[in-house]
Amino acid sequence: GAGVSQSPRYKVTKRGQDVALRCDPISGHVSLYWYRQALGQGPEFLTYFNYEAQQDKSGLPNDRFSAERPEGSISTLTIQRTEQRDSAMYRCASSYSTGGGQPQHFGDGTRLSIL
Amino acid sequence: GEDVEQSLFLSVREGDSSVINCTYTDSSSTYLYWYKQEPGAGLQLLTYIFSNMDMKQDQRLTVLLNKKDKHLSLRIADTQTGDSAIYFCAEIKDTGRRALTFGSGTRLQVQP
Repeated sequence: GAGVSQSPRYKVTKRGQDVALRCDPISGHVSLYWYRQALGQGPEFLTYFNYEAQQDKSGLPNDRFSAERPEGSISTLTIQRTEQRDSAMYRCASSYSTGGGQPQHFGDGTRLSIL
Repeated sequence: GEDVEQSLFLSVREGDSSVINCTYTDSSSTYLYWYKQEPGAGLQLLTYIFSNMDMKQDQRLTVLLNKKDKHLSLRIADTQTGDSAIYFCAEIKDTGRRALTFGSGTRLQVQP
């Protein structure tokens, strides 16, 4: 597609439910990143992939959070047993490669609200 | 540790120049970026600069980098109401963690 596509745009769910957030990167982009953005703050890194390999997951807050990119394209961020503190905007970005001069292009994000 | 700081708010009149400032602490930052966030929209990449440069100009946008003081600025010439948004600076290194570190954003309000 023309840009990074994230779905759903909004997700409201009850505490304790599992949620899966999807990201479809720009075609041909090797690297895919997940960030989380709290209200009034900048995005914070969660994890990233090169092709299908998860290179760094040091930003995932705890083991309820996981991500995969099985075919090196679409990625899913899964949060199990959601808690109210998980409410945030979840942003996905992709870049042609991981070189610092390769800018990251962001999708519109998924706003997650946990009741 | 890594830290990127920005002032929270800037108000200017339409037609004036806006200057948004950012400081960072990590001297090994390699690339510095400016992103724009409009309400309900994603983060739009505006421009970026490599750390061995001190200036980059792109139409109405001018980025200045003072590496000695770890200070980055974004100047928007002839600011328009459509420039009203939150502006984030971000840094990344070319080694180690390949993730952007963002500031908290500066809200630019353009008065007609």
